[in-house]
Amino acid sequence: DTEVTQTPKHLVMGMTNKKSLKCEQHMGHRAMYWYKQKAKKPPELMFVYSYEKLSINESVPSRFSPECPNSSLLNLHLHALQPEDSALYLCASSQDRRDNSPLHFGNGTRLTVT
Amino acid sequence: GENVEQHPSTLSVQEGDSAVIKCTYSDSASNYFPWYKQELGKRPQLIIDIRSNVGEKKDQRIAVTLNKTAKHFSLHITETQPEDSAVYFCAASKNFGNEKLTFGTGTRLTIIP
Repeated sequence: DTEVTQTPKHLVMGMTNKKSLKCEQHMGHRAMYWYKQKAKKPPELMFVYSYEKLSINESVPSRFSPECPNSSLLNLHLHALQPEDSALYLCASSQDRRDNSPLHFGNGTRLTVT
Repeated sequence: GENVEQHPSTLSVQEGDSAVIKCTYSDSASNYFPWYKQELGKRPQLIIDIRSNVGEKKDQRIAVTLNKTAKHFSLHITETQPEDSAVYFCAASKNFGNEKLTFGTGTRLTIIP
């Protein structure tokens, strides 16, 4: 299995809702990432987990809360989002955060905040 | 922090011709430079990468060159085909790793049949 699987594919939520994005990989990768991609823009790093511990938080607002329950799963909990948070949220994994093994991206969750 | 500039933002070439996309970076400590291809509505995928101890790398129709002195690197695609149409992102990072990759702004490449 060489894929990163993200669910759901699409999500529409109101500003008062609480929702979660899920990401799963079974490649034995020890680094997992959350990126945010706005339309016609490059991916922007949000969080990096290494060996299930948060190693990088790129000053992301607290309304985004990451969680890594085990080495295969990565969640992003969403609460009290703003319309400007609407974007494609990409999960990625790699063998290790400090080597240059390829980043494997999932297909993303397209999030719309109303 | 690192800043990566990418040019051009859009590029159209006739099928069979070559395409060149250029990136410059600001942090001289950056030493790992991957290129990602993102087709419409799909995930970014790594197509080639280069480390700072190498000046050029080739993989079939794709090549990347790196000029450390000038702090720029380029993607070259030869004998372009319609399936090369996509958005291409360059990126840079330190420690030869994927940690804190900084992406360029992207180039939309269109191959004209």
